[in-house]
Amino acid sequence: EAGVVQSPRYKIIEKKQPVAFWCNPISGHNTLYWYRQNLGQGPELLIRYENEEAVDDSQLPKDRFSAERLKGVDSTLKIQPAELGDSAVYLCASSTRTGGSSSPLHFGNGTRLTVT
Amino acid sequence: GENVEQHPSTLSVQEGDSAVIKCTYSDSASNYFPWYKQELGKRPQLIIDIRSNVGEKKDQRIAVTLNKTAKHFSLHITETQPEDSAVYFCAASRNNDMRFGAGTRLTVKP
Repeated sequence: EAGVVQSPRYKIIEKKQPVAFWCNPISGHNTLYWYRQNLGQGPELLIRYENEEAVDDSQLPKDRFSAERLKGVDSTLKIQPAELGDSAVYLCASSTRTGGSSSPLHFGNGTRLTVT
Repeated sequence: GENVEQHPSTLSVQEGDSAVIKCTYSDSASNYFPWYKQELGKRPQLIIDIRSNVGEKKDQRIAVTLNKTAKHFSLHITETQPEDSAVYFCAASRNNDMRFGAGTRLTVKP
């Protein structure tokens, strides 16, 4: 099966510019996650979707970050305007959901964002 | 929400020795505990996981133990090899809400 696909792989922008990341999860995976990973740290959850519904966006900085998952498949994460502190790797992951049980996450290769 | 703490942050062992990484979690309702390995510049990859109805699980040189009462779980790697060098992350999850520890950088010296 094809894995989680993310693009772009790298992005360099100046501060105050907008940026968008795209994710295509594994086919059939109804749960989609966006994590931010700063250098030397673990992934931090930004938002989690169950199908097209954002079920947890409590850690998404809503003043500048937005996300959508139209039709419950692909997802985009947007930052506008970007700040220097947004430099990080943005990881997308997907998983299946069986009743109330959690499942392993499958990660994409991530987008490394550098804000100058 | 769930808070996962991981120790140590760095670990250096000699090839052939064992390595142990420990994690604690805060939400007693968490019931799924995976471990991921991340090599430099690559995506995190699942290496082993355990559910709350099991106390221990082993897969070749890797084992995970879970103590639900104390809310901690550990990763054990035996007979370490240089290719085990990477960053390891523990995670705890309830209903697909998965939170990660800060990671342990393991270095296996030949």
